[in-house]
Order: sequence, then C-alpha cells, then structure tokens
Amino acid sequence: GQQLNQSPQSMFIQEGEDVSMNCTSSSIFNTWLWYKQEPGEGPVLLIALYKAGELTSNGRLTAQFGITRKDSFLNISASIPSDVGIYFCAGRPNTNAGKSTFGDGTTLTVKP
Amino acid sequence: DADVTQTPRNRITKTGKRIMLECSQTKGHDRMYWYRQDPGLGLRLIYYSFDVKDINKGEISDGYSVSRQAQAKFSLSLESAIPNQTALYFCATSDPGTGSGYTFGSGTRLTVV
Repeated sequence: GQQLNQSPQSMFIQEGEDVSMNCTSSSIFNTWLWYKQEPGEGPVLLIALYKAGELTSNGRLTAQFGITRKDSFLNISASIPSDVGIYFCAGRPNTNAGKSTFGDGTTLTVKP
Repeated sequence: DADVTQTPRNRITKTGKRIMLECSQTKGHDRMYWYRQDPGLGLRLIYYSFDVKDINKGEISDGYSVSRQAQAKFSLSLESAIPNQTALYFCATSDPGTGSGYTFGSGTRLTVV
C-alpha cells in the first residue's frame, strides 16, 4: 500500500520559534490534509490542500501542496505553548477518494 | 453533543474476551471509518464503510469485524481480544461531497491483559 514518510518524528522548540515539518510519498496524491491531535482527543483537521502548488494558511499555520504531488509541508510561525501536540499529514490518492493514508506523526513540544 | 461519539472511552479486558466498541455520528455522513493508533505508528485503517450496505477491509483488519447498523452507527468488534490489540481506537466520518477531511471521535483506549 501507499506509504507516507513524515519528518521529523519529534521536535523540541522554544516558544516563539518557527516550526517546519513535511511528508513525502512514493505515489501521487490529489489531496493533502494536515491534522493536529491533542492529548486525550482525536485528530482535528487544520488545513486541506487540493491542488499542486497550492499554499494555504490558517492563522500562524501555512501548508503547501508540493508541485510533484508527492509531498507536502506544514509551517508554524511564532510557536506558542498551546501548539503542543502530534501533527499528522494525510494523503488521498486519485483512486478511491474516501480513504486517507496517514503519516506517523510529528510530536511537537514547546518550551515556554 | 459531539459530532462523533465513541463508547466506551476506556476499557480493560482480558485475553480471549469479545469486545465491541461503538461509534455514532450526527454529521449525516455516509462514510465511516475505524482507525487504530499505536505510539509512533500513526493511524492505520481497520475497516471502512461508504454506506449502510458497504463494508470494506482496511490494511489491518485481521482479528476485527464491524457492523454498520445505520447511517449513524458503526461498531467495531474484537472477536477474541489479544494483548497486541492494546491501542487507541478512533472512529471517523467524512463527506465525499465536499472533499474535506475526517471528523474524528475522541477515541477509545483499549487495554487487553
């Protein structure tokens, strides 16, 4: 099946720093999604990307759909303590638009 | 009320026991999914259903079964629980019409001893 490689696996940063994480795939996706999971809760959708090259922002978060359609990036600017959590990328292939394949997640820790 | 409700939130069961995890949604979506989360392994798809009469295996369906009782209800069963099924289980729904992402429940933490 399809595999997503998400990196880094974890990040420990100081409040105020910017954060970057990415996902790469061996196959093409027509949709990229980024989720955040907080302790004790299910993942919540942050940003959805539908077009190669698309750059979309949600507050301090910015995500990009790579032009090869095999990768995506998420940036968080000026991190704050409540950014702590696990961030997941997910991709949806051209065939069977319902199912998403998830990356293994990036665990973010922000030190005040 | 939450859009996607999972019960129970936590469960400890013994090896060999049958257990059912329940999921109900108020989103009115046809598509529902069960995922399993293990530390460092992300979310892996167990089963999914695109409507009431449709059931499909995901990548890790062995040892699990599902039932789609209604559009709003999708339950996951472990016929004979084993310790390596200890994990966090999530139910999710999606709307194919909008192409948007999933709405997840809050999860069920299952421990098999």
